[in-house]
Amino acid sequence: NAGVTQTPKFQVLKTGQSMTLQCAQDMNHNSMYWYRQDPGMGLRLIYYSASEGTTDKGEVPNGYNVSRLNKREFSLRLESAAPSQTSVYFCASSDERKANYGYTFGSGTRLTVV
Amino acid sequence: QQQVKQSPQSLIVQKGGISIINCAYENTAFDYFPWYQQFPGKGPALLIAIRPDVSEKKEGRFTISFNKSAKQFSLHIMDSQPGDSATYFCAATYSGGGADGLTFGKGTHLIIQP
Repeated sequence: NAGVTQTPKFQVLKTGQSMTLQCAQDMNHNSMYWYRQDPGMGLRLIYYSASEGTTDKGEVPNGYNVSRLNKREFSLRLESAAPSQTSVYFCASSDERKANYGYTFGSGTRLTVV
Repeated sequence: QQQVKQSPQSLIVQKGGISIINCAYENTAFDYFPWYQQFPGKGPALLIAIRPDVSEKKEGRFTISFNKSAKQFSLHIMDSQPGDSATYFCAATYSGGGADGLTFGKGTHLIIQP
């Protein structure tokens, strides 16, 4: 019963490098989300996907791209990393039929951009 | 514009005491108010949630109080234990638009002193 799996758990990038954060869920949820967590800022939505094949911007999408590869997988890409993107990134999923109860979060990816 | 305001930022409570965390929201369309608990190195996990058709919901030592007219809701932890030490986030969303994600408060770092 894995739930939401994120990889990698830790990553250090140099400014300008690119990388993709991976997320997969095994709960057959339709909706998936990427949040970033910064001290004193709470959790802010970067992008979300209400269903396979659809993605939409959240509160802080600049500098990021996403791909909903299939129903299980939702990846987040940083094309040219900046120090301001140093953060902890969380992927989450939910069942829109009971969206108000089904937010399951992964354990996070701690990203440092130097 | 911050739609969910949470206070205090940090809270220290003696073991056995009552921990109280408050949140206020602005969007009157919100109709689902969950609380998440997050331990260090982990993703947030749903703790308890309430809808505005009730003024209070209790699950074990955790109680949500909801004041619709004041647009406020709070989390009470009775008989607080050291194992309750964590960061707590309030959140809000509206069931009709749940696919675009929860709006989170900035979090409260709770420490229960033994």
